[in-house]
Amino acid sequence: GAGVSQSPSNKVTEKGKDVELRCDPISGHTALYWYRQSLGQGLEFLIYFQGNSAPDKSGLPSDRFSAERTGGSVSTLTIQRTQQEDSAVYLCASSLGRGDTEAFFGQGTRLTVV
Amino acid sequence: KNEVEQSPQNLTAQEGEFITINCSYSVGISALHWLQQHPGGGIVSLFMLSSGKKKHGRLIATINIQEKHSSLHITASHPRDSAVYICAVRRGGSNYKLTFGKGTLLTVNP
Repeated sequence: GAGVSQSPSNKVTEKGKDVELRCDPISGHTALYWYRQSLGQGLEFLIYFQGNSAPDKSGLPSDRFSAERTGGSVSTLTIQRTQQEDSAVYLCASSLGRGDTEAFFGQGTRLTVV
Repeated sequence: KNEVEQSPQNLTAQEGEFITINCSYSVGISALHWLQQHPGGGIVSLFMLSSGKKKHGRLIATINIQEKHSSLHITASHPRDSAVYICAVRRGGSNYKLTFGKGTLLTVNP
């Protein structure tokens, strides 16, 4: 596609439910990143993929959070047993290679846990 | 203290004014990014800098590695420039992880 695509754009879920957020990176981009932007906070790093591998998952806030990437392309961020503090905008970015190249961001998924 | 500090947090300007947003950081970096986020929108990368100065249209970004400081300038500002501008740094030795400032909310009034 022309840019990084994320779906859904908005998600409202009940506390305790599981959610899946999807990211379609730019075709050919081997690096993929997930970030979170909580209300009033800056962006924080969650996880980095190079191909299908995740060499750095250090930003995932708890074991309720997991992510995978298949075929070196689409990535899914899964949050189990959602809590209200998980409410945030989840942003995905991709780049051609490692960090030396420019990253392109998606529009984000706004998650609201009620 | 945050590793990346931006100032000001909020900035209101009249159309046509020259705008400067500042970013200071406290760690060694390999690159600095300026990003733009419109309300309800995603993020657009404006610049990636490792030295000197870059210009794109009415936007100019400069970086002083020795002083650990970068500025984003907007000439002849326009209401459509209203957005949050975010500074992000990539640490030296890290080839991917970005550390972000909290952003500067710019409002340009007609």
